[in-house]
Amino acid sequence: GEDVEQSLFLSVREGDSSVINCTYTDSSSTYLYWYKQEPGAGLQLLTYIFSNMDMKQDQRLTVLLNKKDKHLSLRIADTQTGDSAIYFCAEWGLEYGNKLVFGAGTILRVKS
Amino acid sequence: DTAVSQTPKYLVTQMGNDKSIKCEQNLGHDTMYWYKQDSKKFLKIMFSYNNKELIINETVPNRFSPKSPDKAHLNLHINSLELGDSAVYFCASSLLKRAGNYGYTFGSGTRLTVV
Repeated sequence: GEDVEQSLFLSVREGDSSVINCTYTDSSSTYLYWYKQEPGAGLQLLTYIFSNMDMKQDQRLTVLLNKKDKHLSLRIADTQTGDSAIYFCAEWGLEYGNKLVFGAGTILRVKS
Repeated sequence: DTAVSQTPKYLVTQMGNDKSIKCEQNLGHDTMYWYKQDSKKFLKIMFSYNNKELIINETVPNRFSPKSPDKAHLNLHINSLELGDSAVYFCASSLLKRAGNYGYTFGSGTRLTVV
C-alpha cells in the first residue's frame, strides 16, 4: 500500500547541515522528489532523483537514494534561516496508480 | 503570470452551503490534480484529469465533484459542506500523466474553513 514516512521535526543551527530522511514502500518507484512548503504557501519542487541514480547534487542540496533499504535523504548544506519550512518527500510509481504520494512532511527549524 | 492559480485564496462558509474553488494553469500541461492538506499537513490526492478526462478518483465523498471544462481549468465543487471539509485544497498540474523530471506544479492553495 501507499506508505511514505518521514521524521516529523528537525532543529538545526544556522550554518550547520540538515539531513531529512524518508522511507518508502513502492519498489517500482521511478521518481522521488523533495518539495518545500513555506507557511501559507504552496509546494515548491526543490529537486528530484530518478530511481537508477544513487546521488544527485544541486548547489546546497544533496539527495541520496538507497534502493535496497528504500531510503531517501535530503541534505542541506550551510542551512540558513530562510530554509525553515516543511519538507515533503514524494514518490511516483506504477504501484501507486500514476499519482504522486507524499510523506507527512518534516518541519525544519533553523535557529540563528 | 502565475503558473497555477487558484481562487479564492481563503473561503469561510457555513455548514450546509455549496461552494466552488477554481483552478487555472497556463503551462500547457495536460494533467491537473486536486489535493487536500489536512490540519496535520498531510497531503492526499482527490482527483486527477488528463485532457478533460477523469483518470484518478480517490475515495472522496460524492459531495465533491470536479469539473474540467478544458485542459487548462479544473474546478472543484463541494455540496453540503461539513466541518470536516475544513482544509487547504491544492490544485496542481503536470505535463503528462506521469510526474517525470518536473514533478507536479502546485498552486498556492485555497484555505477552506467551514463554521
